[in-house]
Amino acid sequence: GAGVSQTPSNKVTEKGKYVELRCDPISGHTALYWYRQSLGQGPEFLIYFQGTGAADDSGLPNDRFFAVRPEGSVSTLKIQRTERGDSAVYLCASSLGQGAGNTIYFGEGSWLTVV
Amino acid sequence: AQSVTQPDIHITVSEGASLELRCNYSYGATPYLFWYVQSPGQGLQLLLKYFSGDTLVQGIKGFEAEFKRSQSSFNLRKPSVHWSDAAEYFCAVHQGNKLTFGGGTRVLVKP
Repeated sequence: GAGVSQTPSNKVTEKGKYVELRCDPISGHTALYWYRQSLGQGPEFLIYFQGTGAADDSGLPNDRFFAVRPEGSVSTLKIQRTERGDSAVYLCASSLGQGAGNTIYFGEGSWLTVV
Repeated sequence: AQSVTQPDIHITVSEGASLELRCNYSYGATPYLFWYVQSPGQGLQLLLKYFSGDTLVQGIKGFEAEFKRSQSSFNLRKPSVHWSDAAEYFCAVHQGNKLTFGGGTRVLVKP
């Protein structure tokens, strides 16, 4: 694919349920990022992968949030015991490498609503 | 820690008029600065970026931005706005392998 692909595009779940959000980065991009964007706010960093390893997970809000990238390509963001405050757009992004010289490309996001 | 402030939450501009969006950053070293645009239902698209050198940078869609170290600012400008420029605009600084975004400015374009 030409861009970063995220599925599902929309997800409605009940409070307390488990949710997985998938990201397929641009082919060949080694760096992958997850951001969260609440209504009326800018995106907030969650986690950054370089290859298969999470190089920086300092933005994950608590231990209900976890992300994996087992083969260094597709990534899954996992949210356990969802709460209404988790409702947001979850954005995935990728870049060719690490460092500011590499443009970061964003997907269209997964809209999560917890009811 | 670095931070980015976009003082204007909403701006309304008439089609054909000029546009300026403000961005102020807080960062100790030379910042790597970016402007992204987010149209309804679409992902963030990079408009332009500043790393070093010429303080006036040109981007896509007729946008430009000027880096002013003395004012810690990186304001985005467009001389003549088109209806398709209605969107949300985000300023960001790159540090530590990640982007830190401002809160965004929503631009409304009047016919």
